[in-house]
Amino acid sequence: DAGVTQSPTHLIKTRGQQVTLRCSPKSGHDTVSWYQQALGQGPQFIFQYYEEEERQRGNFPDRFSGHQYPNYSSELNVNALLLGDSALYLCASSLVEQRYNEQFFGPGTRLTVL
Amino acid sequence: AQTVTQSQPEMSVQEAETVTLSCTYDTSESDYYLFWYKQPPSRQMILVIRQEAYKQQNATENRFSVNFQKAAKSFSLKISDSQLGDAAMYFCAYRSALSGGYQKVTFGTGTKLQVIP
Repeated sequence: DAGVTQSPTHLIKTRGQQVTLRCSPKSGHDTVSWYQQALGQGPQFIFQYYEEEERQRGNFPDRFSGHQYPNYSSELNVNALLLGDSALYLCASSLVEQRYNEQFFGPGTRLTVL
Repeated sequence: AQTVTQSQPEMSVQEAETVTLSCTYDTSESDYYLFWYKQPPSRQMILVIRQEAYKQQNATENRFSVNFQKAAKSFSLKISDSQLGDAAMYFCAYRSALSGGYQKVTFGTGTKLQVIP
């Protein structure tokens, strides 16, 4: 049973560029959440997708956008990259019907903006 | 908005000893879930233990247990018989139990646990 997978593992971009990160949820899961984790900090919620719609959004600008596909996989897009966007981006999947909505995390994508 | 506070940036414990990590949270809701996650260096974050707010009994998972004080909004993690593999960042997290499975999880800033051989 494959867990949550993310690609790429590492990415280096320059300011002003755009980036797309990808996530495949754990088998059987239907909800995908994205988090930004700065070095030495806890994950910060970006947004959550269910049934191909954004359901919840954290305090992030609209430079951060996403998408969920019918197979439940998801993308995180960040436009006009800033130095402060450098972070580990975590994807987590869960099952909406599960009472406590346990989230399973992927290994993350390390984004460096130069 | 809910907040989660972990006041101990770093902790250390001798192997085989017991350590307690602290967490407080702020919410106006009465029904919610609390979690402790472990993030080993360069490895995936995994769930250690969870607590449902409406349950008075403290959750236990093998060597891991919690002390849940709802009135005080406190949720500490006790690790007994500490092992070298317990060394990691530990995050306390909160999730509302409001209807709808898509509720965001709010994390604390983490506690780095060092286990001394």
